[in-house]
Amino acid sequence: DAKTTQPPSMDCAEGRAANLPCNHSTISGNEYVYWYRQIHSQGPQYIIHGLKNNETNEMASLIITEDRKSSTLILPHATLRDTAVYYCIVAKSGATNKLIFGTGTLLAVQP
Amino acid sequence: DAGVIQSPRHEVTEMGQEVTLRCKPISGHDYLFWYRQTMMRGLELLIYFNNNVPIDDSGMPEDRFSAKMPNASFSTLKIQPSEPRDSAVYFCASSLKGTGTTEAFFGQGTRLTVV
Repeated sequence: DAKTTQPPSMDCAEGRAANLPCNHSTISGNEYVYWYRQIHSQGPQYIIHGLKNNETNEMASLIITEDRKSSTLILPHATLRDTAVYYCIVAKSGATNKLIFGTGTLLAVQP
Repeated sequence: DAGVIQSPRHEVTEMGQEVTLRCKPISGHDYLFWYRQTMMRGLELLIYFNNNVPIDDSGMPEDRFSAKMPNASFSTLKIQPSEPRDSAVYFCASSLKGTGTTEAFFGQGTRLTVV
């Protein structure tokens, strides 16, 4: 599976959009981009995933560049409860179905 | 559904003792994963099952660790004998095959302390 690179930490003001970048320059054609987050002392939580097209759900938006070598997770209106470690993961679809977590980005939402 | 249920939530044991962690996946899910999380090593995948069969156990640190899934609704991770370096939070997760993607649901974890 392709590796990902994320900044170790970011700050964001409450109510503003949080834009979390991820580089995955070695991604292959059948690999999806997944985002999970882990709030302190809890298990990781799925946020969103995508293959080529941009995706949006009730939690966030995922913007994938045309060459698929990088992506950005957008939390449109960050709240204090969004303070967490955010993991960008690249994984193949299909039978293997396993997620390998990196070190992630610690997002601190400031009041 | 109550989600993935792990027990116990906290476990303190003495070095050399056997420890058994338990997991009940979400009903109908085909995949079950065991992860370990420490400050030093982050979240590590230990082993995962598909339809109760172990598929990849390459992350299991050594022979002291073993995992079983006797049926679709129950899995155990056993450490025998336990050592202080096994202290970590152990997470179980499950996911549904057939979507072509991996949206895994995690339990709340078991915090293991070996003294």
